[in-house]
Amino acid sequence: NAGVTQTPKFQVLKTGQSMTLQCAQDMNHEYMSWYRQDPGMGLRLIHYSVGAGITDQGEVPNGYNVSRSTTEDFPLRLLSAAPSQTSVYFCASSYGGRDNQPQHFGDGTRLSIL
Amino acid sequence: AQRVTQPEKLLSVFKGAPVELKCNYSYSGSPELFWYVQYSRQRLQLLLRHISRESIKGFTADLNKGETSFHLKKPFAQEEDSAMYYCASGGSQGNLIFGKGTKLSVKP
Repeated sequence: NAGVTQTPKFQVLKTGQSMTLQCAQDMNHEYMSWYRQDPGMGLRLIHYSVGAGITDQGEVPNGYNVSRSTTEDFPLRLLSAAPSQTSVYFCASSYGGRDNQPQHFGDGTRLSIL
Repeated sequence: AQRVTQPEKLLSVFKGAPVELKCNYSYSGSPELFWYVQYSRQRLQLLLRHISRESIKGFTADLNKGETSFHLKKPFAQEEDSAMYYCASGGSQGNLIFGKGTKLSVKP
């Protein structure tokens, strides 16, 4: 049981480049989300999904797109990377619903934009 | 808006000393509260959930609705407790609202 798997673990991009951060979970969780972690800021929600085909914006969605074509996968896309998007990105999943089940986190992707 | 406040960025204690990491929340209803721990460069792991009232790795946390607090406590700190600790509140869309975190450093 792998849990939440994120790839890549590290990535360096140039300003303006695009890339997709992958996230997959094998726990049949309905709820998936992306957070960014910045020093002194804690974790902030970027986008989330309550099930396949449904996505919504979180606290800091600008510059990011998501899609949820399957229950297992929830990729995060940077269409035109900017230095302000240098951060550590965490994907998380849970059983979902409005009763706030504990979330399972991936190992994170450390992204640097030059 | 819901908010979680962790007033201390860094807390440094000696091994064997008691430790208390503070967390205050703003929510008028019955919040779902969590403590997550992140060891150096690792993923966040659930440490405590207030409704389960468990004690994990010697840590406990009590919800005080009057003071809107959910402080994390351990009577005798160990070096392996050194980590980043995040208090979080369950949001209205199933998400988590995190505090900014407290770095705990336990010195030998």
